[in-house]
Amino acid sequence: KAGVTQTPRYLIKTRGQQVTLSCSPISGHRSVSWYQQTPGQGLQFLFEYFSETQRNKGNFPGRFSGRQFSNSRSEMNVSTLELGDSALYLCASSSNLGSYNEQFFGPGTRLTVL
Amino acid sequence: AQKITQTQPGMFVQEKEAVTLDCTYDTSDQSYGLFWYKQPSSGEMIFLIYQGSYDEQNATEGRYSLNFQKARKSANLVISASQLGDSAMYFCAMRGNDYKLSFGAGTTVTVRA
Repeated sequence: KAGVTQTPRYLIKTRGQQVTLSCSPISGHRSVSWYQQTPGQGLQFLFEYFSETQRNKGNFPGRFSGRQFSNSRSEMNVSTLELGDSALYLCASSSNLGSYNEQFFGPGTRLTVL
Repeated sequence: AQKITQTQPGMFVQEKEAVTLDCTYDTSDQSYGLFWYKQPSSGEMIFLIYQGSYDEQNATEGRYSLNFQKARKSANLVISASQLGDSAMYFCAMRGNDYKLSFGAGTTVTVRA
């Protein structure tokens, strides 16, 4: 079974631009979550989608948005990029919602904002 | 809101020895899941082991075992017979009723030959 895939793996943007990251979950998984990882703040939860609906949202500004398609693939968008948005963005999928479902992570997209 | 605390920023361990990584958590939820992940320098988060709050037995997965002490809100990871490939960052995480996965700050493990 293929794992979680994320594209692109690396991205360089300039301040003010917008970016879209993509995540394909493990086949059969319906939940996709996004996380931001920075040296200063560690791993922070962005949002979770299940069956095309956002079920949970972390404490990030409205510049961060996402969506999930009917095939469970998910995209994350960051508008008006700031230097502080430079981070590793990780996507994770799980078969269902619930605290008992482990999440499997993709390799991440490393975003650099210049 | 959940809080995960990992007090050991970095640890060195000799190859073939065991190492214990500390993790304490704080939550008011009755039902929750505890997880450990490994993050090598490549960046990918690798799921290691899971413990449910109602599980009475400690979880074990190969060389990984979780020492779960519910009353103390502690979920330490034990890696037995360390290998050079175990060198990585290790994260303790918890998922409660809000379904958000909250992570600790992580512990860097360096295995010496």
